[in-house]
Amino acid sequence: QKEVEQNSGPLSVPEGAIASLNCTYSDRGSQSFFWYRQYSGKSPELIMFIYSNGDKEDGRFTAQLNKASQYVSLLIRDSQPSDSATYLCSVSGGYQKVTFGTGTKLQVIP
Amino acid sequence: DTGVSQDPRHKITKRGQNVTFRCDPISEHNRLYWYRQTLGQGPEFLTYFQNEAQLEKSRLLSDRFSAERPKGSFSTLEIQRTEQGDSAMYLCASSSNRGLADTQYFGPGTRLTVL
Repeated sequence: QKEVEQNSGPLSVPEGAIASLNCTYSDRGSQSFFWYRQYSGKSPELIMFIYSNGDKEDGRFTAQLNKASQYVSLLIRDSQPSDSATYLCSVSGGYQKVTFGTGTKLQVIP
Repeated sequence: DTGVSQDPRHKITKRGQNVTFRCDPISEHNRLYWYRQTLGQGPEFLTYFQNEAQLEKSRLLSDRFSAERPKGSFSTLEIQRTEQGDSAMYLCASSSNRGLADTQYFGPGTRLTVL
């Protein structure tokens, strides 16, 4: 079992719709959870992090964490073509150990 | 620009040659990470520094790879006797130990091609 699992996609959504990206992790001791966006050929850029159960909102983005189910998700409201990218979930069990998933490719169709 | 910088951005080398990459972290960050990323994969952890101390190194990292951070500021990653399988994007990230989450900020990466 991979430590951090994401569906590779592509996930296609129409412009203006809500995109829902999911991530599961295996280490119950994980403490911090991050979402990064990565455009093709570029490095990852941080979207947001979450460390408490529940929802965290930042503009059009909402991260959701459920530690009991070992599940973290990212919702993108009012999806735009510029949101088309690969979204990486990363999980940290402490300051040394950070594990990334393989990413989900999102395509927003105009 | 106070972000993470990496040099060079691209490196083409022949198999068997040595290469060295440099990373300059965000100035107030005391933690520095190196990752390798290949197409279709997420970043793979290579090694981690807190100040000048190398605190963790991936078991996947062969002896051909070495990293330093001599003064706790910039870091170098050297690959000796490169192989075609070393072709990848090498990413550097930095973070600080303030706050509850070790939020890492990535540099633009160095794309290595081994012929």
